[in-house]
Amino acid sequence: QVQLQESGPGLVKPSQTLSLTCTVSGGSISSGSYYWSWIRQPAGKGLEWIGRIYTSGSTNYNPSLKSRVTISVDTSKNQFSLKLSSVTAADTAVYYCARDQLSWFDPWGQGTLVTVSS
Amino acid sequence: QSVLTQPPSASGTPGQRVTISCSGSSSNIGSNTVNWYQQLPGTAPKLLIYSNNQRPSGVPDRFSGSKSGTSASLAISGLQSEDEADYYCAAWDDSLNGPGVVFGGGTKLTVL
Repeated sequence: QVQLQESGPGLVKPSQTLSLTCTVSGGSISSGSYYWSWIRQPAGKGLEWIGRIYTSGSTNYNPSLKSRVTISVDTSKNQFSLKLSSVTAADTAVYYCARDQLSWFDPWGQGTLVTVSS
Repeated sequence: QSVLTQPPSASGTPGQRVTISCSGSSSNIGSNTVNWYQQLPGTAPKLLIYSNNQRPSGVPDRFSGSKSGTSASLAISGLQSEDEADYYCAAWDDSLNGPGVVFGGGTKLTVL
């Protein structure tokens, strides 16, 4: 079955750009009518959808983050990526990637903690 | 402040039936389907209910979902200790500011 795994730096300095990659295994990222989403969760808080991408490159972003977010896809590597610019301590969170089918998320990656600190 | 409103906590004893509510508006629950996620401590969320009332393969039929108007509910019958977790509702929102997925703030379920 399809599995997702996030990877990237666990520590990012304030004002810099957070970059994460999600690697999809067990199936092609291009097969089926799926979007691929990023979701984050600050410690002890709820879930926040960041945005999603279709394999055609079409994207949707959370309006509150849209000015700082870029999501891209590399079908040759079966990966999609997140870039979040101008980060602050408020962006410290566990970041999850997930397969998105008609806005429900399944499966999810295990999550990766990103801390924004100097 | 989450777009969808859930009670922060719920509780029940083993074997009991509990429900968790999720309130939204015409731009989200009122016009789109609702999905529910279960997050066990220290783990990633897991899809529990999709399209208002559909259970993915492997989810026990003790879990059920419903929707009416701009509100939705998750019901758990025959409560078990392993059901102690955080539960989140979510839906697509057709906001004029920009469409996207919105979540509830989450409900922490305690099995007494």
